[in-house]
Amino acid sequence: QVQLVESGGGVVQAGRSLRLSCATSGFTLSNYGIHWVRQAPGKGLEWVALISYDGTNRYYADNVKGRFTISRDNSKNTLWLQMNSLRPEDTAVYYCARDGGGYSDIVTGPFDYWGQGTLVTVSS
Amino acid sequence: QSALTQPASLSGSPGQSITISCTGTSSDVGGSYYVSWYQQHPGKAPKLMIFDVNNRPSGVSNRFSGSKSGNTASLTISGLQAEDEADYYCSSYTSTSTLVFGTGTTVTVL
Repeated sequence: QVQLVESGGGVVQAGRSLRLSCATSGFTLSNYGIHWVRQAPGKGLEWVALISYDGTNRYYADNVKGRFTISRDNSKNTLWLQMNSLRPEDTAVYYCARDGGGYSDIVTGPFDYWGQGTLVTVSS
Repeated sequence: QSALTQPASLSGSPGQSITISCTGTSSDVGGSYYVSWYQQHPGKAPKLMIFDVNNRPSGVSNRFSGSKSGNTASLTISGLQAEDEADYYCSSYTSTSTLVFGTGTTVTVL
């Protein structure tokens, strides 16, 4: 079965860095784009970043652009979200989600499988 | 990248139908075939309910249906059941190759 498992969350001070991991199984990662989506406590979903199946295309939400970097290693079935210059407003549960569009340079959604999420807390 | 606009809350009695709206612009909902809907129960990850405006993934009840007109997409839940009580989010691909979510709607079954 398709599984995505996030890890790497924790408590970090504002201005510091954190790297989240998303380990995948049950499908051929190299055939799929992947997204990171976050949800602040008690708030709605917010799209963060995407990476195409081969890593060629990467896009970011305006409020994380220049601070966050999404990457992948298909041989390790793993993706990462490097988060630098963290701010208190980055506090959220971070989910990785598979793009149901499959093998395409254009990563459009939908998000057909999700991980359970990992909590990042940025203290001021 | 402004969030799509959804009503904050809706409610209905068992057996009734409700429709959740999702309003964007010509740069997202109005100009995209890639509109999807997600159901989220408290403490759980979201679940895909509708993709590409009006398609249901395998295993999702046919009580859920989607549509779009202009800059507004809609999710209709027919024959409302207790287990439908959850938060619902729309999402759209945008003209800048990014994605955007709606503000979310809490559905209460009376």
